[in-house]
Amino acid sequence: GAGVSQSPSNKVTEKGKDVELRCDPISGHTALYWYRQSLGQGLEFLIYFQGNSAPDKSGLPSDRFSAERTGGSVSTLTIQRTQQEDSAVYLCASSLWRGGQNTQYFGPGTRLTVL
Amino acid sequence: AQTVTQSQPEMSVQEAETVTLSCTYDTSENNYYLFWYKQPPSRQMILVIRQEAYKQQNATENRFSVNFQKAAKSFSLKISDSQLGDTAMYFCASAPPSGAQKLVFGQGTRLTINP
Repeated sequence: GAGVSQSPSNKVTEKGKDVELRCDPISGHTALYWYRQSLGQGLEFLIYFQGNSAPDKSGLPSDRFSAERTGGSVSTLTIQRTQQEDSAVYLCASSLWRGGQNTQYFGPGTRLTVL
Repeated sequence: AQTVTQSQPEMSVQEAETVTLSCTYDTSENNYYLFWYKQPPSRQMILVIRQEAYKQQNATENRFSVNFQKAAKSFSLKISDSQLGDTAMYFCASAPPSGAQKLVFGQGTRLTINP
């Protein structure tokens, strides 16, 4: 079946602009995660959704970052007033929440470059 | 908080050789989950193998196996009969048994398989 998809694959923007990154999880997966991968910080958790609610958003680095999920499916990560330090690969993952161990399956990521 | 450490930034071996990637972690949990993910140049994070801490038996997946030493908090990955397609970044990760089960990643090991 189809895996996790993300769009766009690459995004170049100017400092101060807003960007939206999209994630389509595997059909039926109730849990969705956003991570950020940057040279300086490695792989960091940003936010977790269970259904449409976000019980853990502890990794969002500032109030410029927000995310939503609708219909228990697609999620959008929005970064307002982008800064150069926001340049990174943003990875989305989903899992089928059944209790116990929930393996996360990743999308190909969106590479964001802020000029 | 969980932490994961990979002490080998880069490794290189010849095709068909066996290679072992190291990973240590720290956690106060008694049960948790451990993973190895592979990230080729395509950026897609691919699950290689997973281990549940309460299981004594080391996980295996074809040419991939782990050496899980719970007391030492060590979780190494062994790749047997290495292939050119194994060239990638390898990340060790841990997740708690409950809550968001968000992944905590190590810094990664860049593995190159030479022909």
